[in-house]
Amino acid sequence: AIRMTQSPSSLSASTGDRVTITCRASQGISSYLAWYQQKPGKAPKLLIYAASTLQSGVPSRFSGSGSGTDFTLTISCLQSEDFATYYCQQYYSYPLYTFGQGTKLEIK
Amino acid sequence: QVQLVESGGGVVQPGGSLRLSCAASGFTFSSYGMHWVRQAPGKGLEWVAFIRYDGSNKYYADSVKGRFTISRDNSKNTLYLQMNSLRAEDTAVYYCAKCTVTTGAFDYWGQGTLVTVSS
Repeated sequence: AIRMTQSPSSLSASTGDRVTITCRASQGISSYLAWYQQKPGKAPKLLIYAASTLQSGVPSRFSGSGSGTDFTLTISCLQSEDFATYYCQQYYSYPLYTFGQGTKLEIK
Repeated sequence: QVQLVESGGGVVQPGGSLRLSCAASGFTFSSYGMHWVRQAPGKGLEWVAFIRYDGSNKYYADSVKGRFTISRDNSKNTLYLQMNSLRAEDTAVYYCAKCTVTTGAFDYWGQGTLVTVSS
C-alpha cells in the first residue's frame, strides 16, 4: 500500500501568515493527489485535486504543487476560518486510496 | 444540490453487526462509484471500501476485509455498509463519499454516522 506522510503534524500560525504543508508519498503517484480541509465535527472538504487544481468555490489563497512523491499545500494569507486540520490523499492506486495522517493548523 | 445522508450508526457489542446506509440525492447516483471512509475519535481518515457505479466490483481495506460488505441499490439511490464481527477498533465516524467525474478525489461527503463498539 502507498503510504502518505505529512509534515508537520501540527503548526501554529497567525492570521495573515503564509503557511506550507508537505505531503510525501512512499512511491511515485504522478499528480494523483488531493487536499482536504476538516473542521471539528464536520466532514472533510475537498480543496485541491490533481495536485494543483482548485476545487470550485475554494478561495485562491489556497494552492497546491508537486508531482511524483513530493507535494505541498500553501495558504498564502491565513484567515480565521482556515484554522483546521488538513489531509492529503493519493488516488493513484485505484481504488485503494490512502490519506496522510493530517496536519493541524492552530492559531498562534 | 448534492446531498449524502448517512444513518444506522449506534452502539453495538464486540462481535455484533450493524448496517449503515447512505441516501444520495442531487446527482445521478447510478453513474458514480462510491466510498466509505472512517475516522476514529481524535484520529485521521481511513479509507474503508469502494463500490463501482454498477456494483460490479468492490474493494476493501485490509482492516475490514472479510467482515464488512459494501453494496448499493441504484433504484433507491442508496449505498450500504454491512459490518459484521465488529471490534473495538472499528469505533469511528463513518462517512460515505462520492468521487468526482474525472478524478479519484472525493468531492462530496456525508455528515457521518458514529459507530461505537463497546460492551
